[in-house]
Amino acid sequence: GDSVTQMEGPVTLSEEAFLTINCTYTATGYPSLFWYVQYPGEGLQLLLKATKADDKGSNKGFEATYRKETTSFHLEKGSVQVSDSAVYFCALSDLGNTGNQFYFGTGTSLTVIP
Amino acid sequence: DAGVTQSPTHLIKTRGQQVTLRCSPKSGHDTVSWYQQALGQGPQFIFQYYEEEERQRGNFPDRFSGHQFPNYSSELNVNALLLGDSALYLCASSSGLAGIPSYNEQFFGPGTRLTVL
Repeated sequence: GDSVTQMEGPVTLSEEAFLTINCTYTATGYPSLFWYVQYPGEGLQLLLKATKADDKGSNKGFEATYRKETTSFHLEKGSVQVSDSAVYFCALSDLGNTGNQFYFGTGTSLTVIP
Repeated sequence: DAGVTQSPTHLIKTRGQQVTLRCSPKSGHDTVSWYQQALGQGPQFIFQYYEEEERQRGNFPDRFSGHQFPNYSSELNVNALLLGDSALYLCASSSGLAGIPSYNEQFFGPGTRLTVL
């Protein structure tokens, strides 16, 4: 079945450091890939998405490229800020199946220190 | 434009009791999905409702049931609560045009924190 595996945390970085959070997936069809962010006490917010191979999703300085050959969708940011501290979830949705079910990774907690 | 809303925010129940959680989807959305997020884990899919019918279901027992109303709002019911049902329950809404990749996005509510004692 479909699944997502992402880098375990927690991750602690200094402000302005480079961020990479690894995500790989398994899917039977042609999934869309997502990164969601969850701030303390809140629900999930969509950070970025890519719907087909080689697409690059980007938002708020974050980027991720849909790599079908390596089944990966790694999240990157060149210079993190304290306000980026949150839990990041990689997810996929396989439109080949009915219902648009989302599969999530276990989440990676990021703390950025000044 | 109101986003996805859920009620209540927090809930405390005891083992064996029953609970009902409510969700109103984002304006223009007709599909509602429910997820359970245990502490420190990613959300796990419970089921999805579209056109007032359960369209897809995850690996959850029959104690978990739901309903969708004509206005697209939804309820999640859990019977015979267990300690392990303690979690954040998230509702997500999306457009029924899920066959089009550009519409393939789910918007999440803030969740209902259920504690079972």
